[in-house]
Amino acid sequence: DVKVTQSSRYLVKRTGEKVFLECVQDMDHENMFWYRQDPGLGLRLIYFSYDVKMKEKGDIPEGYSVSREKKERFSLILESASTNQTSMYLCASLKRGGNTEAFFGQGTRLTVV
Amino acid sequence: GNSVTQMEGPVTLSEEAFLTINCTYTATGYPSLFWYVQYPGEGLQLLLKATKADDKGSNKGFEATYRKETTSFHLEKGSVQVSDSAVYFCALVTGTASKLTFGTGTRLQVTL
Repeated sequence: DVKVTQSSRYLVKRTGEKVFLECVQDMDHENMFWYRQDPGLGLRLIYFSYDVKMKEKGDIPEGYSVSREKKERFSLILESASTNQTSMYLCASLKRGGNTEAFFGQGTRLTVV
Repeated sequence: GNSVTQMEGPVTLSEEAFLTINCTYTATGYPSLFWYVQYPGEGLQLLLKATKADDKGSNKGFEATYRKETTSFHLEKGSVQVSDSAVYFCALVTGTASKLTFGTGTRLQVTL
């Protein structure tokens, strides 16, 4: 069974903390994505990676960075968490080529207090 | 850049009603088009897809046709059920890097 696994379902962090969200896929996919999902705003792309050590900014990269040291793992980093980063974070992976489906993790609900 | 525009929700229908959720897109090149569904408390999963113009994707009674001339990929179902209540996302993948772009999602509520 194909799988995208996010390290935590729920996280509570304090303002100013450095936060790491981890995502691992077991499908040998080249592409991995981080989105945040907010009511009324849908899924907004934060960053995506199309190969190891390769990354590209999405629509809302401010306040975030990413790391892809291994093909199966894509980490989202909040350098200094703020309350406006309270959200649901979704990781996805996709085999490059465009005509296959993306697979999603279950999401991490992050609350910054 | 690429973008996907979906009709605003929520959409509220009675069971057995006909459903249409509009989706239009802007993209360079020839994107592949997808509908994803998110049931309450669950992650996103693929509902259907179409990879070239005039293709029709279908699954679970839902259908969508890739219309290049109108840059649209509207989702339809002839008779909705309460179990179809969910959020539906239109999406596209394009480019050599296969970037995945979503619309804002449309919440569907089906009542008895």
